[in-house]
Amino acid sequence: NAGVTQTPKFQVLKTGQSMTLQCAQDMNHEYMSWYRQDPGMGLRLIHYSVGAGITDQGEVPNGYNVSRSTTEDFPLRLLSAAPSQTSVYFCASSYSRDTEAFFGQGTRLTVV
Amino acid sequence: AQTVTQSQPEMSVQEAETVTLSCTYDTSENNYYLFWYKQPPSRQMILVIRQEAYKQQNATENRFSVNFQKAAKSFSLKISDSQLGDTAMYFCASPHNNNDMRFGAGTRLTVKP
Repeated sequence: NAGVTQTPKFQVLKTGQSMTLQCAQDMNHEYMSWYRQDPGMGLRLIHYSVGAGITDQGEVPNGYNVSRSTTEDFPLRLLSAAPSQTSVYFCASSYSRDTEAFFGQGTRLTVV
Repeated sequence: AQTVTQSQPEMSVQEAETVTLSCTYDTSENNYYLFWYKQPPSRQMILVIRQEAYKQQNATENRFSVNFQKAAKSFSLKISDSQLGDTAMYFCASPHNNNDMRFGAGTRLTVKP
């Protein structure tokens, strides 16, 4: 049972480049979310999904896109990377918002 | 504006002593769940404890317990008999609007030998 798998673990991008952070879970969870973690800011919600085909914005959605075509996968897309998007990104999944969330190992992204 | 507030950026405690981490939140919901998560240096997020808002009894998990004050929207975490392995960042989490979950800025706890 792999849990929540995030790839890659580390990434360096140049300003303006695009990339996709992958997130997959094998627990049949309906609820998935993306957070970014910055020093002194804690975890801030980017986007979340309550099931396949349904996504919604969190508190810091600008510059990020998501889709949820399957229950298992919830990729996060950066269309045009900016230095302000340098952060550690976490994907999480749970049965619902009100149950324990399982987190991936995180992706450390640096935009230069 | 932060909807979950952790007013103590850093705390320290001597091994075997007790420490309390504070958290206040803001939600318009009536029935909800609150969480404390721990993030050790490995960066892996781990659930510490969960509280159901409609239950008056405070949740307890071994050395970890909460003091939940619904009217005050306060949800503090008490760690008893602190151990070196408790050294970590601790995050409080609360529901916000439209089915999302928000986290506080975290408290960095250091347990000293």
